[in-house]
Amino acid sequence: AQSVTQPDIHITVSEGASLELRCNYSYGATPYLFWYVQSPGQGLQLLLKYFSGDTLVQGIKGFEAEFKRSQSSFNLRKPSVHWSDAAEYFCAFCDQTGANNLFFGTGTRLTVIP
Amino acid sequence: EAGVVQSPRYKIIEKKQPVAFWCNPISGHNTLYWYLQNLGQGPELLIRYENEEAVDDSQLPKDRFSAERLKGVDSTLKIQPAELGDSAVYLCASSLERGLAGLVEQFFGPGTRLTVL
Repeated sequence: AQSVTQPDIHITVSEGASLELRCNYSYGATPYLFWYVQSPGQGLQLLLKYFSGDTLVQGIKGFEAEFKRSQSSFNLRKPSVHWSDAAEYFCAFCDQTGANNLFFGTGTRLTVIP
Repeated sequence: EAGVVQSPRYKIIEKKQPVAFWCNPISGHNTLYWYLQNLGQGPELLIRYENEEAVDDSQLPKDRFSAERLKGVDSTLKIQPAELGDSAVYLCASSLERGLAGLVEQFFGPGTRLTVL
């Protein structure tokens, strides 16, 4: 079945440290992949997306993600985390059928400690 | 530019009562989505509208859930009667046109948090 998996439910990092959030996908073809962030009381905001081409994707707020077909992964990274990055992060994919709907992972909660 | 507006932000009701959520999409966005987000889970699509037409409602529990978008602008999602398991966040999103969901960004509202007692 088509899906995305986020293995880490909760991650804690120190402010200024690097961050990597994992996302694995299961899809027959090359999927369209996304990372969203959800801050408390806020709606989901798109950080970045991958359709094809360059496997390293740059997003907003200093985030990037790398698509690795061999590992079926699309991990999100940031070289230096800020306290304001504390939020819930969702990996999602878009199916390529006529419906073209978004399917989300279960999310990873990021805590940033001073 | 105003974002997606949802109201109420919070709602507490007793089981078996009806409840309704309202969504006003970004101006000019003809595609509107309702998602259900259970605690500790990612959003799941309930229904998608293209203008006033519900083009994908396969995940909408039609025995108790209904939705409408009469003039192709704002939308209402209703639950009648509500059950304990309906406690969740209900998110609304909109986009410019259907196409591939990834090619046109979906903009999300802050959601309505429903608690059923």
